[in-house]
Amino acid sequence: DADVTQTPRNRITKTGKRIMLECSQTKGHDRMYWYRQDPGLGLRLIYYSFDVKDINKGEISDGYSVSRQAQAKFSLSLESAIPNQTALYFCATSDSAGGGGGTDTQYFGPGTRLTVL
Amino acid sequence: ILNVEQSPQSLHVQEGDSTNFTCSFPSSNFYALHWYRWETAKSPEALFVMTLNGDEKKKGRISATLNTKEGYSYLYIKGSQPEDSATYLCAFFTYNQGGKLIFGQGTELSVKP
Repeated sequence: DADVTQTPRNRITKTGKRIMLECSQTKGHDRMYWYRQDPGLGLRLIYYSFDVKDINKGEISDGYSVSRQAQAKFSLSLESAIPNQTALYFCATSDSAGGGGGTDTQYFGPGTRLTVL
Repeated sequence: ILNVEQSPQSLHVQEGDSTNFTCSFPSSNFYALHWYRWETAKSPEALFVMTLNGDEKKKGRISATLNTKEGYSYLYIKGSQPEDSATYLCAFFTYNQGGKLIFGQGTELSVKP
């Protein structure tokens, strides 16, 4: 079984709808991240969480919110989806026990492809 | 704004060819450089983490070098195989601006049998 899972894997929705993307991990890592990937652009950080009570905005947080329900679960919500939020969304985890710094490997989920019509 | 550039954007080679691509990043406030391999419909997977100027890492036929003074890293694949087809992502880490990975747009490699 995959260590980092994302649900749903694919979702088509309409403008204005509220959408939640879920991420679960069995790696026991304390740090979790949400990225979006658009064609021709690198992965861009939306939100990140260093533990259940520590949530931080990334570079493109507008229009998104997150919830860290437990160490293993990190959800991303689009309160009112718009077409330019159509993208591939990745969840990732890392372990601060490795130093908590820039050499920590991030482990990615399989991605959620979201289309907003 | 910190920028990470990868070139070329895409590359098509024949099986057996050796290839390389480049990741350019800011040379100031450098802490680490990551390489990830992303196969279509799968999760990106870590290849290397590099921190020291002149560092060289190797995993099988894939190797990477790092020049922090001039701000670039090369990824080499020797004798490309069809299973090497993937997008290769580099990511730059700096503690400047809160300490986050900043990803390049990736190089998409296609290896034809």
